Amino acid sequence: RKEVEQDPGPFNVPEGATVAFNCTYSNSASQSFFWYRQDCRKEPKLLMSVYSSGNEDGRFTAQLNRASQYISLLIRDSKLSDSATYLCVVPYYNQGGKLIFGQGTELSVKP
Amino acid sequence: DAGVIQSPRHEVTEMGQEVTLRCKPISGHDYLFWYRQTMMRGLELLIYFNNNVPIDDSGMPEDRFSAKMPNASFSTLKIQPSEPRDSAVYFCASSGAGGYEQFFGPGTRLTVL
Repeated sequence: RKEVEQDPGPFNVPEGATVAFNCTYSNSASQSFFWYRQDCRKEPKLLMSVYSSGNEDGRFTAQLNRASQYISLLIRDSKLSDSATYLCVVPYYNQGGKLIFGQGTELSVKP
Repeated sequence: DAGVIQSPRHEVTEMGQEVTLRCKPISGHDYLFWYRQTMMRGLELLIYFNNNVPIDDSGMPEDRFSAKMPNASFSTLKIQPSEPRDSAVYFCASSGAGGYEQFFGPGTRLTVL
């Protein structure tokens, strides 16, 4: 099993739609998780952190299910500007600062 | 703050040539990371440093790759000799002590012909 696995995508959705991405991780000792966003031909940037059961920031909600070892990202009322690749990220246990990035899920929001 | 600075932004070279990528982390950050991103393999960690000391280089593909961090404000990633399969975007990132938010540079797009 890969350390971090994501929905393959791409997701093509109309503006205003709600879309959800899932991510599974293999290291049950992981305590915190992240979603990064990467625009086309740009660098990844932190979108959200998840330290407990979940986190909400405006239209974005990240949820964590430790028993099933998966993380989800929900985007409500999609905007054209949400089009990007979303990377699920898990810290490497006991190796301070080291992150494992998923392959990413591409989202395309259409008018 | 200027953010993480990488140079060059684009590099086109011929197989067998030496390539040197440069990175200046955010001032005060303790960790520096080198990543490689391709369509096939996604974002891969090559090596990372803590306080200028290499901590984990298990992601370095082979002996043709080497990285140094001579001081807190500068790091290099060298490929010698370069091969076409090294073509990728190479990102440098830095983060503060104990934190997991990594700040990425704009990347160097490397093409080896």
